Amino acid sequence: QKEVEQDPGPLSVPEGAIVSLNCTYSNSAFQYFMWYRQYSRKGPELLMYTYSSGNKEDGRFTAQVDKSSKYISLFIRDSQPSDSATYLCAMSGGASGSRLTFGEGTQLTVNP
Amino acid sequence: NAGVTQTPKFRILKIGQSMTLQCTQDMNHNYMYWYRQDPGMGLKLIYYSVGAGITDKGEVPNGYNVSRSTTEDFPLRLELAAPSQTSVYFCASSLTAAGNTIYFGEGSWLTVV
Repeated sequence: QKEVEQDPGPLSVPEGAIVSLNCTYSNSAFQYFMWYRQYSRKGPELLMYTYSSGNKEDGRFTAQVDKSSKYISLFIRDSQPSDSATYLCAMSGGASGSRLTFGEGTQLTVNP
Repeated sequence: NAGVTQTPKFRILKIGQSMTLQCTQDMNHNYMYWYRQDPGMGLKLIYYSVGAGITDKGEVPNGYNVSRSTTEDFPLRLELAAPSQTSVYFCASSLTAAGNTIYFGEGSWLTVV
């Protein structure tokens, strides 16, 4: 069983839609929860991070962490074609220290 | 504003050949990492370093070696290349030990034939 599970998609939505991306995990020691965006043939780019449980908002993006359910989400409001990318969740903490454990990524396409 | 720089961008190797992927960062980060990314598998940690002179294995270290003689540089050595090492390799660096500020390079595409 993978330590972090993420639906690989692909996910295709119309421009302006609300997008919900999710990951589940099994290691209760994880404390930092990150979302990376990766454009084709580029390196992952840190989008947001959250420490422990709660919500964090940055413009059109909202990250949510529910440690009791071991479930994290990224919401994208008013999605744009420029949001088309692969979104990777990543987590760290506990015995793993700074080493990130990644989900396999969800490929998102926003159609104009 | 270079950040994390990797070379080469693309490389084709023959089975049994060796090569070094170069990585340098200009952010004075102590923590550096090498990941590989395979389709449908996410990113897997190969090796990491918490400072100059200190390295440790990640999830998938077999077939690779690293060194960290300076804060800036963290080269990854592939010995006796195998087709299973065909992948995209990402170097990354981090300011903190928490893992929440890791920045990635642009990647190195390696094919072993």
